[in-house]
Amino acid sequence: QSVLTQPPSVSAAPGQKVTISCSGSSSNIGNNYVSWYQHLPGTAPRLLIYENNKRPSGIPDRFSGTKSGTSASLGITGLQTGDEADYYCGTWDSSLGAGVFGGGTKLTVL
Amino acid sequence: EVQLLESGGGLVQPGGSLRLSCAASGFTFRQSAMTWVRQAPGKGLEWVSAIINTGGSTYYADSVKGRFTISRDNSKNTLYLQMNSLRAEDTAVFYCAKGVRGLLYAFDIWGQGTMVTVSS
Repeated sequence: QSVLTQPPSVSAAPGQKVTISCSGSSSNIGNNYVSWYQHLPGTAPRLLIYENNKRPSGIPDRFSGTKSGTSASLGITGLQTGDEADYYCGTWDSSLGAGVFGGGTKLTVL
Repeated sequence: EVQLLESGGGLVQPGGSLRLSCAASGFTFRQSAMTWVRQAPGKGLEWVSAIINTGGSTYYADSVKGRFTISRDNSKNTLYLQMNSLRAEDTAVFYCAKGVRGLLYAFDIWGQGTMVTVSS
C-alpha cells in the first residue's frame, strides 16, 4: 500500500486532456514539494515536474503540475499515443524521514 | 554527456549480499544529492535510500533499514549501495538517480537500471 494514492488507470482520446491525481497527507504532500515522472517499461523514468509545478528543460508545456493542500495533480493536454506510459508522483514524508512514491497510474490514449 | 551507469546487479541467494555501483559523468557529482530507487517486477517505483552531497547524511526506506547501506566516493564520482541479508522481495530493477537542486526526493537524471534477483 503506497503512502501516496493515485488512480490505477486513466484514459482519454488523442488530442484530449487528462488529469492524474495524487493524494497524501500533511506529513508528505502537505509540507513538501511534489514531483512527477513518466515511466515506460524497460527505460529510465523521466522527470516531468518538480517543485510542484516546474518543468525541466525539454519537457513540453503540455505537461503541468498543481498542488493544493495534501493533494497534487498532473495535467497533460493534447494527448498523443506516445504519452502512453505509467505516471508516478513523488515527495518526501517528514514523519517517515524518507522519500515516497504513489502507486502509479497507467495512461491509455485510446 | 550527462550519464549515470549502474553495475553490480545479478543473481544472489536469500541471505546473501551484493554491492551496486553507479558511475556518474557529465555533471558535478560532489554537489549532487543521490538516490536509489527500485521497481520490483509488476510493481511501482519504490524509493530506497538517499545521501546528501557530502555523504554526511543518509536516509533509508523502512523496508531496507538495517540491511542496506548507501555511500559515495566523490573522488571517483561513484555512488554505492551495499545490500546485505537479501530477501526474495528485494528482487527488482535498481536505479540510481540525481537529485534536483539538492533535493533527496526529486530526480532529474536516472540510470538505465541494474537487475537484482534474489532466489535460491
